[in-house]
Amino acid sequence: GENVEQHPSTLSVQEGDSAVIKCTYSDSASNYFPWYKQELGKRPQLIIDIRSNVGEKKDQRIAVTLNKTAKHFSLHITETQPEDSAVYFCAANSNTGGFKTIFGAGTRLFVKA
Amino acid sequence: EAEVAQSPRYKITEKSQAVAFWCDPISGHATLYWYRQILGQGPELLVQFQDESVVDDSQLPKDRFSAERLKGVDSTLKIQPAELGDSAMYLCASSRFGQDYGYTFGSGTRLTVV
Repeated sequence: GENVEQHPSTLSVQEGDSAVIKCTYSDSASNYFPWYKQELGKRPQLIIDIRSNVGEKKDQRIAVTLNKTAKHFSLHITETQPEDSAVYFCAANSNTGGFKTIFGAGTRLFVKA
Repeated sequence: EAEVAQSPRYKITEKSQAVAFWCDPISGHATLYWYRQILGQGPELLVQFQDESVVDDSQLPKDRFSAERLKGVDSTLKIQPAELGDSAMYLCASSRFGQDYGYTFGSGTRLTVV
């Protein structure tokens, strides 16, 4: 079945700097890769997603890239702000061994003012 | 903005007791998921429903966990008997189109087994 690895587990950046979170997946049949942001004590919220027919997608300060050959995808946050501080989860869908979305273990991002 | 409703928000129960969680997805969302999130980890899928049918429950510990969505709308997840290792956040999510699209998560039920 699908396995999603995410790193780093913790990332600390200065306000205004960029942050990059990387994930790898194992199931070559996966075709949908969402990213969720979870603030302390709150629910995960979808912030951006990308499909396998696209290599890059951007939404204001957030961008995702996908390399299908290498089976890895990344989240890029530019001009970070303190309110970007949260746990970020990457995920990949899988139709192997059941229909499910597999989440990475999460990256705790700290943006220092 | 439409939300996924979950109750209770918090539950403390003694081990070996039964506990149940409720979820009401966004109206019109045919796909409903129950996830378990242990502190510091990513959500882990327990069960997925398409309307009233179970699509995937391969990760559900069926000796103690059960889930139902009888009318294809709201859903209940039950644990009996609860064990200390079941302490976690139980998140419900729904999606209009299924696992190839983003989810909307509920606020979750934080379960503590003592």
